Amino acid sequence: SQELEQSPQSLIVQEGKNLTINCTSSKTLYGLYWYKQKYGEGLIFLMMLQKGGEEKSHEKITAKLDEKKQQSSLHITASQPSHAGIYLCGAVTGTASKLTFGTGTRLQVTL
Amino acid sequence: DGGITQSPKYLFRKEGQNVTLSCEQNLNHDAMYWYRQDPGQGLRLIYYSQIVNDFQKGDIAEGYSVSREKKESFPLTVTSAQKNPTAFYLCASSIEAGTASTNEKLFFGSGTQLSVL
Repeated sequence: SQELEQSPQSLIVQEGKNLTINCTSSKTLYGLYWYKQKYGEGLIFLMMLQKGGEEKSHEKITAKLDEKKQQSSLHITASQPSHAGIYLCGAVTGTASKLTFGTGTRLQVTL
Repeated sequence: DGGITQSPKYLFRKEGQNVTLSCEQNLNHDAMYWYRQDPGQGLRLIYYSQIVNDFQKGDIAEGYSVSREKKESFPLTVTSAQKNPTAFYLCASSIEAGTASTNEKLFFGSGTQLSVL
């Protein structure tokens, strides 16, 4: 089974609307990363969260880490077409010295 | 500019053929990684290397091989033993491979799409 589950798998929102993507881990989280990917391209780093309760923002994107729930959320305010893409969470879980990634959330923003 | 370069962008493999995907970085990073991306399955780790001349299998190493003779380079060979090679392959690097470390932040290349003829 997948260690990191993302929801929803896909999302279509109208420009200007807010949205939230969730990432839930089946194991203890030691660090949580959010990346964005344009179709057929590499991943762009968005944010990293390390401490429970930590919240970071960049432009209109805010990410939070709930360590107790082993969950992180990514919130986009007033979505724009430039926000469209695939959002992936990645985490260091357990003692493995490598990142595990979620299945991704595909976001489309309509005009 | 510093970064990670993957080549080629598109690659076609004939049945029974081995093909090699290139990954070069000039970030002076110790750790390098290869991931495979299939639709709906996110990224899965194939191999990773924490230091020159050393590498470890990831979750789906069967049918693949790697080498790390130079710090800057981490080529991936898709062998004929890999029966379902069609996928998008991503190379990444980080300052070092650690646990719960800010140095775990990965920098990604632009990917190689491999298809079977």
